[in-house]
Amino acid sequence: DQQVKQNSPSLSVQEGRISILNCDYTNSMFDYFLWYKKYPAEGPTFLISISSIKDKNEDGRFTVFLNKSAKHLSLHIVPSQPGDSAVYFCAASAGDSNYQLIWGAGTKLIIKP
Amino acid sequence: DVKVTQSSRYLVKRTGEKVFLECVQDMDHENMFWYRQDPGLGLRLIYFSYDVKMKEKGDIPEGYSVSREKKERFSLILESASTNQTSMYLCASSTRAGGPIVINEQFFGPGTRLTVL
Repeated sequence: DQQVKQNSPSLSVQEGRISILNCDYTNSMFDYFLWYKKYPAEGPTFLISISSIKDKNEDGRFTVFLNKSAKHLSLHIVPSQPGDSAVYFCAASAGDSNYQLIWGAGTKLIIKP
Repeated sequence: DVKVTQSSRYLVKRTGEKVFLECVQDMDHENMFWYRQDPGLGLRLIYFSYDVKMKEKGDIPEGYSVSREKKERFSLILESASTNQTSMYLCASSTRAGGPIVINEQFFGPGTRLTVL
């Protein structure tokens, strides 16, 4: 049973427009969420995170929104740039787990020129 | 700058061979992880270790073993490689959460693309 779901395997967005990547979770014990970005033939790199005590966190062009009642989070990229083309993973952690992150399947974002 | 290195970027092995994948981190992190990444399946945890000589099974440990004799090094062993173990293998490390550390963000190596023929 997938506890973290990214239902869109891929997303295509015009350069300069907004990219919205979605992530749903089922475990109400999750209290911290992270987004990672992965280029081909490289390891994932941390992008942005949000604690469950917040509903929004912003870092430059990247904003993550958390809707706890819907168990849904989204990553907004504005404006989208060609270098944003990558696979984006959503990950979640429960407070009682000191080690593990639970990962979504990833969404491949393609930015069209 | 956190650095996680993996011994090989690309590896080709034959069915039945014993395969060693090495991972080294230079940040004195307590936790280390081995994942495999397959299209549409995301990152699946194979094993992790929260201290030297300690190991815990992840979601898909079958066919794999691990070794952590030193804090900075975490090895993944495929005892007898099979074609269904063809995958991208990713190593990660993190520090122990606590105090000012809110969450154990994981830092990844570049990955090893393993092909088993």
